[in-house]
Amino acid sequence: GESVGLHLPTLSVQEGDNSIINCAYSNSASDYFIWYKQESGKGPQFIIDIRSNMDKRQGQRVTVLLNKTVKHLSLQIAATQPGDSAVYFCAEALMDSNYQLIWGAGTKLIIKP
Amino acid sequence: DTAVSQTPKYLVTQMGNDKSIKCEQNLGHDTMYWYKQDSKKFLKIMFSYNNKELIINETVPNRFSPKSPDKAHLNLHINSLELGDSAVYFCASSMGEDQPQHFGDGTRLSIL
Repeated sequence: GESVGLHLPTLSVQEGDNSIINCAYSNSASDYFIWYKQESGKGPQFIIDIRSNMDKRQGQRVTVLLNKTVKHLSLQIAATQPGDSAVYFCAEALMDSNYQLIWGAGTKLIIKP
Repeated sequence: DTAVSQTPKYLVTQMGNDKSIKCEQNLGHDTMYWYKQDSKKFLKIMFSYNNKELIINETVPNRFSPKSPDKAHLNLHINSLELGDSAVYFCASSMGEDQPQHFGDGTRLSIL
């Protein structure tokens, strides 16, 4: 079936630097994409989403980029802080499937002091 | 106030038992979900439910059944528990199917 994958299972970043977490998706018909952050012992926490009619969306310290040509999604976190340490998931969905989220495997972000 | 709350947080039980996990949301959302997260952190949708429609992931065994007494609650009942059911189960809710989902903190189910 269709699936969403992540390029790197673990990403180590120096505190204060920018982090970039990448995600590849396989279904070109997907029209909704979303990023979540999951801290240990907690449920996934919504970060930012983007629809297929956009290629960039910004939030507070985060930016999501969507490249439909190569079916690639990225999450950029500016000025990474210790509190950003978590597992980050991307997910895709499409209207024809009632927007059921198909999740990637997750990337663990480690912040180095 | 917790937006999406699940009980219990931990559930340890023996194979063959029947158990339920409760979920409540105070966000006024119309759609609720159940997910299973395995030991490798992989998340998989089990059910989505709103006032009108229950959508079941076809891979979910029929031992699992969602029950919704009202719009704010979606409980998960599991019959004849098996070892492979050990996982963390997450409840979530959203305003609509194409809106961000808000998750509870999970129920860790361990089958002995």
